[in-house]
Amino acid sequence: GDSVTQMEGPVTLSEEAFLTINCTYTATGYPSLFWYVQYPGEGLQLLLKATKADDKGSNKGFEATYRKETTSFHLEKGSVQVSDSAVYFCALSDHQAGTALIFGKGTTLSVSS
Amino acid sequence: GAVVSQHPSRVICKSGTSVKIECRSLDFQATTMFWYRQFPKQSLMLMATSNEGSKATYEQGVEKDKFLINHASLTLSTLTVTSAHPEDSSFYICSARASSSSYNEQFFGPGTRLTVL
Repeated sequence: GDSVTQMEGPVTLSEEAFLTINCTYTATGYPSLFWYVQYPGEGLQLLLKATKADDKGSNKGFEATYRKETTSFHLEKGSVQVSDSAVYFCALSDHQAGTALIFGKGTTLSVSS
Repeated sequence: GAVVSQHPSRVICKSGTSVKIECRSLDFQATTMFWYRQFPKQSLMLMATSNEGSKATYEQGVEKDKFLINHASLTLSTLTVTSAHPEDSSFYICSARASSSSYNEQFFGPGTRLTVL
């Protein structure tokens, strides 16, 4: 079945460092891909999305490009801030209506000043 | 953007009691809602898929008689944890798929922290 694999954390960075969180997927079709962020004690917020190959999702300085050839959707940010400390989830969804998202295990990011 | 609310945000109950959690889509109609459970420092585990006006579809290993789901309208789904026990303590999150969504985007509620004493 479909699945998502994320790099294991925690990822610990200093402020203004470059961030990459790897995400690869396995899917039979052409899914939509998402990154969600979860701040401590809160629910999930959609960070960015891409619905077809070569699409680039971006938001708040974060970017991810849907790479069909490598089945990847790596999350990047050029300069992280302390406020970016959170858990990041990569997820996929097929285009069939009514199906749940499939999540990776999540990667904890900790940014220190 | 679309907003999903959950109520309560936090609940503490005694073992053996039942707890109801509400999930509402505030500014859109949701044909489908999903209930997830999240253990500390772990990913979200899908519990069930709830379609308006029909019975919920439960994932393997989830007891449907213990986790009662009702999706009575296009904006409200409820999860009732019956005869709760300490092992049911967890973070419960719902999500809603907009009926008009063309690519299955889902919007998440803020979660409900359940603690069973």
